[in-house]
Amino acid sequence: DIQMTQSPSSLSASVGDRVTITCRASRTISNYVNWYQQRPGKAPNLLIYAASTLQSGVPSRFSGSASGTLFTLTISSLQPEDFATYYCQQSYTTPNTFGQGTRLDIK
Amino acid sequence: QLQLQESGPGLVKPSETLSLTCTVSGGSMSDSAYSWGWIRQPPGKGLEWMGTIYYSGSTYYNPSLDSRLSVSIDTSETQFSLKLTSVTAADTAVYFCARLSYYNNGGFSVDCFDMWGQGKMVTVSS
Repeated sequence: DIQMTQSPSSLSASVGDRVTITCRASRTISNYVNWYQQRPGKAPNLLIYAASTLQSGVPSRFSGSASGTLFTLTISSLQPEDFATYYCQQSYTTPNTFGQGTRLDIK
Repeated sequence: QLQLQESGPGLVKPSETLSLTCTVSGGSMSDSAYSWGWIRQPPGKGLEWMGTIYYSGSTYYNPSLDSRLSVSIDTSETQFSLKLTSVTAADTAVYFCARLSYYNNGGFSVDCFDMWGQGKMVTVSS
């Protein structure tokens, strides 16, 4: 199975901060990475697919990038509604695997 | 607007079979542009992909679930279902159904879960 190692596992930040979350794949997976946001008690919500393409309706402060097996989710200026848990997911091959998640809290 | 809704028992006894249904409304399941999947999340933990049924009818399951899992689809009823046999306490989780969509990205096709049900909490306990 392809392992997706996500870091950090938790992060405290303030409104207006720039935040970066990373995910490293255990082997080459091209750009087959998606990012999801999950608020407490809710279903995950797709933010970015194919490593860097913003899903329709998602604010432009979210962006994604890739470099080899390292994938990055950046939030340019945190808003109150962004405090949630974020997951990466590889869709290169089955079993599709998710990162362990990054919980983003208000500092 | 497409919506997905999980339904089924919230409590299952150990060694029995967990059965859930996902009802799709506001759209057609027979469109070859989509496939359908199940993802679960144990309390306080991360997401685990369980399996996907493709528009062709093919299924792919997480090997960690061995041969306990089956997913089927009923396009006439706009539903798809999950059956997980021989459950234990480790199967206690929120179960999500989701739509798998395909996007053309730079000449290659990528897929992602772009629509999700609200989730169904299932507890395995005697």
